[in-house]
Amino acid sequence: EDQVTQSPEALRLQEGESSSLNCSYTVSGLRGLFWYRQDPGKGPEFLFTLYSAGEEKEKERLKATLTKKESFLHITAPKPEDSATYLCAVSNNTDKLIFGTGTRLQVFP
Amino acid sequence: DSGVTQTPKHLITATGQRVTLRCSPRSGDLSVYWYQQSLDQGLQFLIQYYNGEERAKGNILERFSAQQFPDLHSELNLSSLELGDSALYFCASSVRPSNQPQHFGDGTRLSIL
Repeated sequence: EDQVTQSPEALRLQEGESSSLNCSYTVSGLRGLFWYRQDPGKGPEFLFTLYSAGEEKEKERLKATLTKKESFLHITAPKPEDSATYLCAVSNNTDKLIFGTGTRLQVFP
Repeated sequence: DSGVTQTPKHLITATGQRVTLRCSPRSGDLSVYWYQQSLDQGLQFLIQYYNGEERAKGNILERFSAQQFPDLHSELNLSSLELGDSALYFCASSVRPSNQPQHFGDGTRLSIL
């Protein structure tokens, strides 16, 4: 069964303290891996798509990487406004997205 | 702003009732997806439509149904509501149905009393 596991469940960082979020997946025929950010009371906001192992994408303080078994979302020098839940999802050969349960990130000033 | 509009934002109703949730996709997007998000679970895929036709189904209950209209807006109908149906319901849309980033609305919060 296709599955996505994210770790840690929650992460508390001091402002400026860099860290990484992990997304490990088991999927039959990975077609794409997606990262989203979700703020309380809002829908998930699309961040990145990665399609093949070795691919990397960057946006401001965020950098996503992909291997054959997992993806990392690296956060460099985070700010309080980066506080959110970060969701990882994979698409298989059925077009639907399979989501992990997310990592709740809190960044303190 | 993702461009996906969902109404209403909040809905409070009683067990046994029926409700309709509405979604307008981003301009130009042909595919619409519905998800359920409850406190103890992540986003669960319910159903997908592409250009008016049902394309994929997830773990959608028989009490739930959906459709996509010619103007591409979509409605999710929930009937014989139970307490366990209380959740956030999200709509997402994408340009094409396959392997595309999906853009989400801000959801409808459904509370069953």
